[in-house]
Amino acid sequence: QVQLQQWGAGLLKPSETLSLTCAVYGGSFSGFYWTWVRQPPGKGLEWIGEINDSGSTNYNPSLKSRVAMSVDPSKNQFSLNLNSVTAADTAVYYCARLDVESNGAHLDYWGQGTLVTVSS
Amino acid sequence: DIQMTQSPSSLSASVGDRVTITCRSSHSISTHLNWYQQKPGKAPKLLIYAASSFRGGVPSRFSATASGTDFTLTISSLQPEDFATYYCQQTYSSPRAFGQGTKLEIK
Repeated sequence: QVQLQQWGAGLLKPSETLSLTCAVYGGSFSGFYWTWVRQPPGKGLEWIGEINDSGSTNYNPSLKSRVAMSVDPSKNQFSLNLNSVTAADTAVYYCARLDVESNGAHLDYWGQGTLVTVSS
Repeated sequence: DIQMTQSPSSLSASVGDRVTITCRSSHSISTHLNWYQQKPGKAPKLLIYAASSFRGGVPSRFSATASGTDFTLTISSLQPEDFATYYCQQTYSSPRAFGQGTKLEIK
C-alpha cells in the first residue's frame, strides 16, 4: 500500500521560505510525477506543480517565480520550496502522486496535509 | 492555460436524491478529467479518472460522463457519506487546474 508522509514548518513570517518534504513508502518512486497542491482555509484546491524522479518539473505560472521542487530518489523523497511567502500563502499543503497512463493522469495517493500559516 | 468551470458551487440535497455536478473546460482536454471527493479536514480522494473510469471501491451510485468539453458527475441516490466537496481536475496539460469545487450539503 502506497503511503505519502509529509512534514515541514507550520508557522512562517512574511518573506521567509516555506519548505516541505514528502516521503513515499510502499511503492515505486520512478515512473510517476510527484505533485504539490495547496488549499487556503475554506477555499478550493490549487495545483502548485510537479516533479518526476529525474528532476523534470512543471510549475503553476502563478507561482513559478517563487517555487522550486527537488527530488531525492535515493530516499524516495521530494520537496517543495516557496520563497518570499506572504499571508496569501497560508494554506494546507498536500503532496500527491500523479499516475500517468495512456488514457490520462490522476492523483491517486495523497499525503495527510500540512497547515502552513504565514503571520508576523 | 486551461480553465475549469464547475457548477453549481454548492448544492443542498436530501438522502436518496439524485444530483449532478458539471465541469466545463475552456479547451478540449479529451478525457483527461478526474473527479475527487474531499471531506472536512481530509485530503482529497480520487473517485473517477479519465472522465469515466472508476477507482476501485467507488459505489455504483456514482456515474460520470463526458461530451466534448463538458463533464458530469452524477450520484443516483445520495447516501449520508456522500455529503462532501467534489472537485474536477484536468490533467491534459500543465498547469493541471482544478475546478472551484461543489459543496454538497444536507438539506
